[in-house]
Amino acid sequence: GAVVSQHPSRVICKSGTSVKIECRSLDFQATTMFWYRQFPKKSLMLMATSNEGSKATYEQGVEKDKFLINHASLTLSTLTVTSAHPEDSSFYICSARTGGGELFFGEGSRLTVL
Amino acid sequence: QKEVEQNSGPLSVPEGAIASLNCTYSDRGSQSFFWYRQYSGKSPELIMFIYSNGDKEDGRFTAQLNKASQYVSLLIRDSQPSDSATYLCAVDTGRRALTFGSGTRLQVQP
Repeated sequence: GAVVSQHPSRVICKSGTSVKIECRSLDFQATTMFWYRQFPKKSLMLMATSNEGSKATYEQGVEKDKFLINHASLTLSTLTVTSAHPEDSSFYICSARTGGGELFFGEGSRLTVL
Repeated sequence: QKEVEQNSGPLSVPEGAIASLNCTYSDRGSQSFFWYRQYSGKSPELIMFIYSNGDKEDGRFTAQLNKASQYVSLLIRDSQPSDSATYLCAVDTGRRALTFGSGTRLQVQP
Protein backbone atom coordinates (compact mmCIF):
# COMPACT_ATOMS: atom_id res chain seq x y z
CA GLY A 1 0.00 0.00 0.00
CA ALA A 2 0.89 3.65 -0.13
CA VAL A 3 3.51 4.75 2.37
CA VAL A 4 4.37 8.15 3.73
CA SER A 5 7.70 8.44 5.49
CA GLN A 6 8.62 11.14 7.96
CA HIS A 7 12.00 12.00 9.43
CA PRO A 8 13.23 12.50 12.10
CA SER A 9 10.95 10.59 14.44
CA ARG A 10 12.27 12.38 17.49
CA VAL A 11 14.18 15.60 17.86
CA ILE A 12 15.32 17.53 20.89
CA CYS A 13 16.60 21.05 20.42
CA LYS A 14 17.47 24.14 22.38
CA SER A 15 15.15 27.10 22.51
CA GLY A 16 15.81 29.53 19.67
CA THR A 17 17.06 26.97 17.16
CA SER A 18 15.28 25.82 14.02
CA VAL A 19 14.22 22.28 13.25
CA LYS A 20 13.40 20.77 9.86
CA ILE A 21 11.07 17.80 9.44
CA GLU A 22 10.85 15.92 6.15
CA CYS A 23 7.85 14.12 4.72
CA ARG A 24 8.13 11.83 1.72
CA SER A 25 5.57 9.90 -0.27
CA LEU A 26 7.40 6.69 -1.11
CA ASP A 27 5.40 5.02 -3.84
CA PHE A 28 3.09 7.68 -5.16
CA GLN A 29 3.26 11.32 -6.17
CA ALA A 30 1.58 13.78 -3.88
CA THR A 31 0.81 17.23 -5.23
CA THR A 32 -0.67 18.04 -1.86
CA MET A 33 0.51 17.11 1.61
CA PHE A 34 -0.93 18.08 4.96
CA TRP A 35 0.80 18.95 8.20
CA TYR A 36 -0.89 18.24 11.51
CA ARG A 37 0.02 18.92 15.09
CA GLN A 38 -1.15 16.93 18.07
CA PHE A 39 -0.76 17.67 21.76
CA PRO A 40 -0.94 14.81 24.28
CA LYS A 41 -4.42 13.28 24.51
CA LYS A 42 -5.76 15.87 22.08
CA SER A 43 -7.10 15.61 18.56
CA LEU A 44 -5.23 16.25 15.36
CA MET A 45 -5.03 19.89 14.40
CA LEU A 46 -4.48 20.74 10.75
CA MET A 47 -1.74 23.32 10.49
CA ALA A 48 -1.31 23.79 6.78
CA THR A 49 -1.74 22.33 3.34
CA SER A 50 1.46 22.00 1.39
CA ASN A 51 1.14 22.49 -2.37
CA GLU A 52 3.82 21.32 -4.77
CA GLY A 53 5.35 24.26 -6.60
CA SER A 54 3.36 26.93 -4.81
CA LYS A 55 2.85 28.50 -1.42
CA ALA A 56 1.38 26.54 1.44
CA THR A 57 -2.09 27.32 2.73
CA TYR A 58 -2.11 27.88 6.47
CA GLU A 59 -5.00 27.35 8.83
CA GLN A 60 -6.26 30.24 10.90
CA GLY A 61 -4.03 30.94 13.87
CA VAL A 62 -0.95 29.19 12.47
CA GLU A 63 2.00 31.53 11.98
CA LYS A 64 3.41 31.11 8.49
CA ASP A 65 6.71 32.72 9.46
CA LYS A 66 7.03 30.35 12.38
CA PHE A 67 6.21 27.17 10.51
CA LEU A 68 7.88 27.31 7.11
CA ILE A 69 6.64 24.78 4.59
CA ASN A 70 8.38 23.88 1.36
CA HIS A 71 7.01 21.40 -1.17
CA ALA A 72 9.72 21.36 -3.78
CA SER A 73 8.90 18.06 -5.47
CA LEU A 74 6.00 15.66 -5.92
CA THR A 75 7.36 13.39 -3.21
CA LEU A 76 8.84 15.73 -0.61
CA SER A 77 7.45 18.37 1.73
CA THR A 78 9.37 19.91 4.60
CA LEU A 79 8.22 21.73 7.72
CA THR A 80 10.72 23.99 9.46
CA VAL A 81 9.91 25.18 12.95
CA THR A 82 11.87 28.42 13.23
CA SER A 83 13.19 29.85 16.48
CA ALA A 84 11.58 27.04 18.39
CA HIS A 85 10.32 27.58 21.92
CA PRO A 86 9.14 25.11 24.55
CA GLU A 87 5.50 25.76 23.62
CA ASP A 88 6.28 24.40 20.15
CA SER A 89 6.98 21.01 21.67
CA SER A 90 4.43 18.68 20.12
CA PHE A 91 3.86 15.70 17.84
CA TYR A 92 3.99 16.81 14.22
CA ILE A 93 2.49 14.49 11.62
CA CYS A 94 2.43 14.82 7.86
CA SER A 95 0.00 13.13 5.52
CA ALA A 96 -0.73 12.77 1.84
CA ARG A 97 -3.66 11.63 -0.26
CA THR A 98 -3.30 9.12 -3.04
CA GLY A 99 -5.01 9.51 -6.38
CA GLY A 100 -7.73 7.22 -5.02
CA GLY A 101 -8.47 9.67 -2.21
CA GLU A 102 -7.07 7.69 0.72
CA LEU A 103 -5.14 9.75 3.25
CA PHE A 104 -2.03 8.16 4.72
CA PHE A 105 0.03 9.50 7.60
CA GLY A 106 3.75 9.56 8.17
CA GLU A 107 5.16 8.10 11.38
CA GLY A 108 5.16 11.48 13.09
CA SER A 109 7.94 13.59 14.59
CA ARG A 110 8.05 14.29 18.28
CA LEU A 111 9.67 17.66 18.91
CA THR A 112 10.94 18.60 22.35
CA VAL A 113 12.26 22.12 22.82
CA LEU A 114 14.34 22.64 25.92
CA GLN B 1 -21.61 22.41 16.41
CA LYS B 2 -18.47 20.51 15.56
CA GLU B 3 -18.24 19.25 12.00
CA VAL B 4 -17.39 15.70 13.07
CA GLU B 5 -18.46 14.46 16.47
CA GLN B 6 -17.38 11.40 18.38
CA ASN B 7 -17.90 10.33 21.96
CA SER B 8 -14.51 10.61 23.63
CA GLY B 9 -15.06 7.50 25.76
CA PRO B 10 -13.44 5.49 27.05
CA LEU B 11 -15.56 2.71 25.60
CA SER B 12 -14.80 -0.45 27.52
CA VAL B 13 -15.68 -3.87 26.11
CA PRO B 14 -14.64 -7.38 27.17
CA GLU B 15 -12.36 -9.43 24.98
CA GLY B 16 -14.30 -11.23 22.26
CA ALA B 17 -17.20 -8.79 22.27
CA ILE B 18 -18.29 -6.42 19.51
CA ALA B 19 -17.10 -2.84 19.89
CA SER B 20 -19.32 -0.21 18.27
CA LEU B 21 -17.85 3.20 17.56
CA ASN B 22 -20.03 6.02 16.33
CA CYS B 23 -19.53 9.26 14.48
CA THR B 24 -21.87 11.99 13.26
CA TYR B 25 -21.09 14.76 10.81
CA SER B 26 -22.74 18.04 9.96
CA ASP B 27 -21.97 18.62 6.27
CA ARG B 28 -24.57 16.87 4.13
CA GLY B 29 -22.29 17.24 1.13
CA SER B 30 -19.67 14.98 2.67
CA GLN B 31 -18.53 12.42 0.17
CA SER B 32 -16.33 9.85 1.84
CA PHE B 33 -15.63 8.66 5.32
CA PHE B 34 -12.58 7.17 6.94
CA TRP B 35 -11.74 5.35 10.13
CA TYR B 36 -8.26 5.55 11.62
CA ARG B 37 -6.72 3.82 14.61
CA GLN B 38 -4.13 5.65 16.69
CA TYR B 39 -2.08 3.99 19.38
CA SER B 40 -0.65 6.19 22.11
CA GLY B 41 2.43 8.02 20.88
CA LYS B 42 1.98 6.84 17.30
CA SER B 43 0.51 8.39 14.18
CA PRO B 44 -2.92 7.36 12.88
CA GLU B 45 -3.20 4.36 10.61
CA LEU B 46 -6.01 3.90 8.11
CA ILE B 47 -8.37 1.04 8.93
CA MET B 48 -10.96 1.48 6.21
CA PHE B 49 -13.04 3.94 4.25
CA ILE B 50 -16.59 3.96 2.94
CA TYR B 51 -18.30 5.99 0.23
CA SER B 52 -21.73 4.42 -0.20
CA ASN B 53 -24.67 3.92 2.13
CA GLY B 54 -24.74 0.55 3.81
CA ASP B 55 -22.12 -1.73 5.22
CA LYS B 56 -18.56 -2.45 4.18
CA GLU B 57 -16.71 -5.35 5.75
CA ASP B 58 -12.97 -5.94 6.00
CA GLY B 59 -11.94 -8.80 8.25
CA ARG B 60 -13.13 -8.09 11.79
CA PHE B 61 -14.06 -4.52 10.88
CA THR B 62 -17.36 -3.30 9.45
CA ALA B 63 -18.02 0.31 8.54
CA GLN B 64 -21.62 1.43 8.31
CA LEU B 65 -22.78 4.60 6.60
CA ASN B 66 -26.17 6.27 6.72
CA LYS B 67 -26.04 9.54 4.80
CA ALA B 68 -29.66 10.42 5.54
CA SER B 69 -28.91 10.37 9.26
CA GLN B 70 -25.37 11.74 8.75
CA TYR B 71 -23.99 8.88 10.74
CA VAL B 72 -21.07 6.54 10.27
CA SER B 73 -20.00 3.74 12.56
CA LEU B 74 -17.26 1.18 12.94
CA LEU B 75 -17.91 -2.27 14.36
CA ILE B 76 -15.04 -4.40 15.59
CA ARG B 77 -15.95 -8.07 16.01
CA ASP B 78 -14.12 -10.40 18.36
CA SER B 79 -12.40 -7.46 20.04
CA GLN B 80 -8.84 -8.10 21.20
CA PRO B 81 -6.75 -6.25 23.79
CA SER B 82 -4.52 -5.16 20.90
CA ASP B 83 -7.52 -3.23 19.52
CA SER B 84 -7.27 -0.87 22.51
CA ALA B 85 -6.51 2.50 20.93
CA THR B 86 -8.14 5.77 19.95
CA TYR B 87 -10.32 5.54 16.85
CA LEU B 88 -10.61 8.63 14.69
CA CYS B 89 -13.46 9.28 12.31
CA ALA B 90 -12.60 11.51 9.34
CA VAL B 91 -14.85 13.03 6.73
CA ASP B 92 -14.12 14.35 3.26
CA THR B 93 -16.24 17.46 2.89
CA GLY B 94 -14.81 18.35 -0.50
CA ARG B 95 -11.85 20.30 0.81
CA ARG B 96 -8.59 18.55 0.16
CA ALA B 97 -7.88 17.96 3.85
CA LEU B 98 -10.05 15.56 5.80
CA THR B 99 -11.96 16.82 8.82
CA PHE B 100 -11.28 14.70 11.90
CA GLY B 101 -13.33 14.00 14.96
CA SER B 102 -11.65 14.14 18.33
CA GLY B 103 -11.57 10.35 18.60
CA THR B 104 -13.04 7.64 20.80
CA ARG B 105 -10.77 5.76 23.17
CA LEU B 106 -11.49 2.02 23.14
CA GLN B 107 -10.39 -0.28 25.94
CA VAL B 108 -10.69 -4.03 25.44
CA GLN B 109 -10.55 -5.82 28.76
CA PRO B 110 -8.80 -9.24 28.75
